[in-house]
Order: sequence, then C-alpha cells, then structure tokens
Amino acid sequence: AQKITQTQPGMFVQEKEAVTLDCTYDTSDPSYGLFWYKQPSSGEMIFLIYQGSYDQQNATEGRYSLNFQKARKSANLVISASQLGDSAMYFCAMREAGTNAGKSTFGDGTTLTVKP
Amino acid sequence: NAGVTQTPKFQVLKTGQSMTLQCAQDMNHEYMSWYRQDPGMGLRLIHYSVGAGITDQGEVPNGYNVSRSTTEDFPLRLLSAAPSQTSVYFCASRRGLTGELFFGEGSRLTVL
Repeated sequence: AQKITQTQPGMFVQEKEAVTLDCTYDTSDPSYGLFWYKQPSSGEMIFLIYQGSYDQQNATEGRYSLNFQKARKSANLVISASQLGDSAMYFCAMREAGTNAGKSTFGDGTTLTVKP
Repeated sequence: NAGVTQTPKFQVLKTGQSMTLQCAQDMNHEYMSWYRQDPGMGLRLIHYSVGAGITDQGEVPNGYNVSRSTTEDFPLRLLSAAPSQTSVYFCASRRGLTGELFFGEGSRLTVL
C-alpha cells in the first residue's frame, strides 16, 4: 500500500515567490524519517532535507524548509524565493524502523515549474 | 569522490535476454538498494541489503536477483528480460539505517 502521498502532480510558481509542495504519509511506527529529494531533468537524485519523527523543530536547509505536522502526518516542503533552477521533480520519501528498518518509500512526485 | 557508480548507463535488451546492472560505492556504506523509476512515477524498491551477505526483497522483486558479496558492490541481475522491465534503475547507498540516500546516476534499460 502506498505510504507516501503527493497530491500535486504539477505545480507552477513565479520566480522569487515561495511555493509549498504537499506530502502526507502513513505509518504506525513511532520512529521514522522523512526526506525530500529533487530530480532535475538531467535525471540525478539530489537530497534536499531531512526531518526525524522525534525532532521538535522543523528542518531548514537554506531556501528549503520542511513544515512537519506530526498529528496530521504531513511533511510539506517549502521553497522560498524560487529560482529558475528549482524547476524539477520533487519526491517525498519515508524511512521506517522496526521490521522495515532501512527501507525507504517514495511518493509519485510533484513536477515544479518556475516561471520567469 | 566517486560516490555511487552504476554501469552501464544505457542498455537495450531483447525479450528473454539476461544482464547485470553493476553498482559500486566507495563510501563504506552498509546499506545498498536498487530502485526502478517508471515514467512520471516515483521510485519503487526492488531489492536491498543491510550489509555484506544480507539481502532482502523490496516492493517489486519479481524478475530480479541480487547478491552482496562485498560491502562495495551490489549487482542487480535481470534473469529473463521482459518489456515490463523497461525503466530507469537507480542504485543507492546509505550509512547505517538512517540518513539520506546517495544515488547513482541511473541506468536506462529498454527491453524490446
């Protein structure tokens, strides 16, 4: 069963504006990690940001921040001051513990297009 | 730093042929995994390994075989290629069970 849901197949944002990419997840494990990866048109996978389930504060990495709402099981990626180079596919992923230790499950992705 | 290296980057096979996708990492990572990515979709886990000599199935293991004889290498074998295996394959590694995945550049496989 799909454990990561990204409901926005495609998003558009104007250059220099902020954009939020949605991600919801499903797990019964109290210990898990949430990740966002970027895949440009060239195809490589680039790690952006990580949030642990026990982290008290939302993760931030430069222009990227993760809006972690544990009770709602959401982990939205916020990109501030969008740049043309942010145009890419973005994947939310979850790493569980317990019997699924080490496995990472990916959502279907959101294609972000930044308009000049 | 080489990171995760996959070969070949492109391959065309005929139905029924077998082949091996190679994956090597030089970061001494315990965890290695293989994913496939179909057009417009996310990554689906094929097989993974938490250390040398240990492998396990992921979400879509049928038609694929793996082994992990060393920490560095994690080859993926297609036993009898089918058109449904046309995809882009990514190898990834991670130190331990936590932390981010480090990906190879991907291998684009076409099965005719």
